[in-house]
Order: sequence, then structure tokens, then C-alpha cells
Amino acid sequence: DGGITQSPKYLFRKEGQNVTLSCEQNLNHDAMYWYRQDPGQGLRLIYYSQIVNDFQKGDIAEGYSVSREKKESFPLTVTSAQKNPTAFYLCASSTPAGAGETQYFGPGTRLLVL
Amino acid sequence: GIQVEQSPPDLILQEGANSTLRCNFSDSVNNLQWFHQNPWGQLINLFYIPSGTKQNGRLSATTVATERYSLLYISSSQTTDSGVYFCAVRFGGYNKLIFGAGTRLAVHP
Repeated sequence: DGGITQSPKYLFRKEGQNVTLSCEQNLNHDAMYWYRQDPGQGLRLIYYSQIVNDFQKGDIAEGYSVSREKKESFPLTVTSAQKNPTAFYLCASSTPAGAGETQYFGPGTRLLVL
Repeated sequence: GIQVEQSPPDLILQEGANSTLRCNFSDSVNNLQWFHQNPWGQLINLFYIPSGTKQNGRLSATTVATERYSLLYISSSQTTDSGVYFCAVRFGGYNKLIFGAGTRLAVHP
């Protein structure tokens, strides 16, 4: 079954703690993305990667970090510098980013601050 | 600046009704997609439609790129159509999709 998986489904963070959200895809897509969605809002781009070992900041990268060591994996770390991390986090992948890309999304991770 | 605006923001329908959702964008685009987000948060890609018309079952979409808008038509709505519909565009010269704020649809039996 081809698709995108995200784990965990729910994640709780304590003050001052770094947490890592997992995103894995077996669609053989080159490009991967992380979005943040706040309640009742649209999606905002955090980071994206068009190829292994390369990634770029999106619109709201402060307080987040990523890595892209494998084509299939694009983990997102929410650092203690992110002061308001409570949100729904969505990972997506696509065929090579560009005019013709079509993005496919994982089921998301809900992050809550204790 | 570049903008993607969706209307209406909220829509309530009785099952069986038809509806039209609109997406306006501020500049020429080379990519436009419509997504449905179900009540559990999963986003499903409905259409890739930078221009022209496409149909998939009860859903169809039309993009008039020269006039900078796209329409999503839902016919004979069902309760399972409930959720949020997002339009996302890639403007020329940009390397990312920009999402609109969405249209929240509730279909009642």
C-alpha cells in the first residue's frame, strides 16, 4: 500500500522539551513538506525538501528543524524555541516540485503542550 | 501582494443540494489544486487543475486562468462531503503552494 505515514497521532510536549514528529513515504516522491494548521485556519509551510540532503525554510520555520537523510523520511523537530507549538502538523510529498506537482498528505500529528 | 481567497467561508447544505465554491487568486498560476479535509484532519487531493475543466463523479472543477479564479462544484451533496475544502496555488516564480483559508462545508441529512 503506497502512502504517507505520520507518527505519533497525538504528542504531548512539556515546557523546554524538544519533540520529533515522524513522516515516512513509500511513493518514491522526491519532494516532501511540513505544514502547520491552527484551529479554523489554512495550512502554513514550515519546511520543504526537494531532494535528499537538501531542505529550505518555509514561511514559519522559526523554532523548527528538519533533516532529509533518506528519500523516504523527513522528520520534523519542534524545539523549545517554538513558543506556541500547539497545532496540527501535516506532512506531504509530491513528484518533483514544480508546475505539475500534486501533493499527497499524511494523516497528521496533533501536538499539545502540557 | 500574492493572495488566495476562498468563498464562502462557511456553507450549510441539506443532503441532495448542489453548491459552488470559489477560489480567486491575485496573479497568474502554473499549478492549482483542490483538497478536501475530512473531520478527522485527513487531506485528500481532489483535482489538479491549473486550467480547464475536470469531473470526478459528483465533483467537478473549472479554472479560468485568464480571469484568475477557479470553481469547485459539488452536486447531490452527501453528509460525507462535510469538511473543509482548500484551494492551493503555485504562482509563477514561486517554489511552493499557497493555500487559501478554506470553505467549511456542513451537509445535514
